[in-house]
Amino acid sequence: GQQVMQIPQYQHVQEGEDFTTYCNSSTTLSNIQWYKQRPGGHPVFLIQLVKSGEVKKQKRLTFQFGEAKKNSSLHITATQTTDVGTYFCAGTGGTSGSRLTFGEGTQLTVNP
Amino acid sequence: GAGVSQSPRYKVAKRGQDVALRCDPISGHVSLFWYQQALGQGPEFLTYFQNEAQLDKSGLPSDRFFAERPEGSVSTLKIQRTQQEDSAVYLCASSLGRWRRNTEAFFGQGTRLTVV
Repeated sequence: GQQVMQIPQYQHVQEGEDFTTYCNSSTTLSNIQWYKQRPGGHPVFLIQLVKSGEVKKQKRLTFQFGEAKKNSSLHITATQTTDVGTYFCAGTGGTSGSRLTFGEGTQLTVNP
Repeated sequence: GAGVSQSPRYKVAKRGQDVALRCDPISGHVSLFWYQQALGQGPEFLTYFQNEAQLDKSGLPSDRFFAERPEGSVSTLKIQRTQQEDSAVYLCASSLGRWRRNTEAFFGQGTRLTVV
């Protein structure tokens, strides 16, 4: 079945440093979504990418979808303490219907 | 309410006990998902409803797990004869999108199930 891998599993940065998490799928995706989950909270939708090579920006966050629609990345510029949490990518594709297959997540901690 | 509501927030069950978890999706949302999230892991898909139709239940781990959404709104996830490995957070999510037309999914706060 479809598998989504995410690296790194953990990332510790100093406030002001940049951060990137990478997502790779074993199969071609129809679309990919990114979620943020704060400690003790629930996943909150950030963005959906649909087109091959798509790049979207939200303030300090930049999301990319690979040309082959099998990988994606999230880059945060100049991290802030409010960026702390776990970032998940989640993809749909092939025979998975509407099922979102989540990666393991990247847990980001930001030292002030 | 404005968001997805789940109850109870916490549930402690003795091994072998049956439990029922409730999800109130956002009004008008066609799609409803159930996910299971173990500590430190990403959510794992359990089942999907489009209105009252259960279109995908391939993620349910065993026949002890059963979900329903009889009127296309509120959904219940039932676990029979709970086992320790069922301990996890059960997340419900709803979205406007229909089957294969994914849109933003709104997650509830989850129910933390602990089986002792």
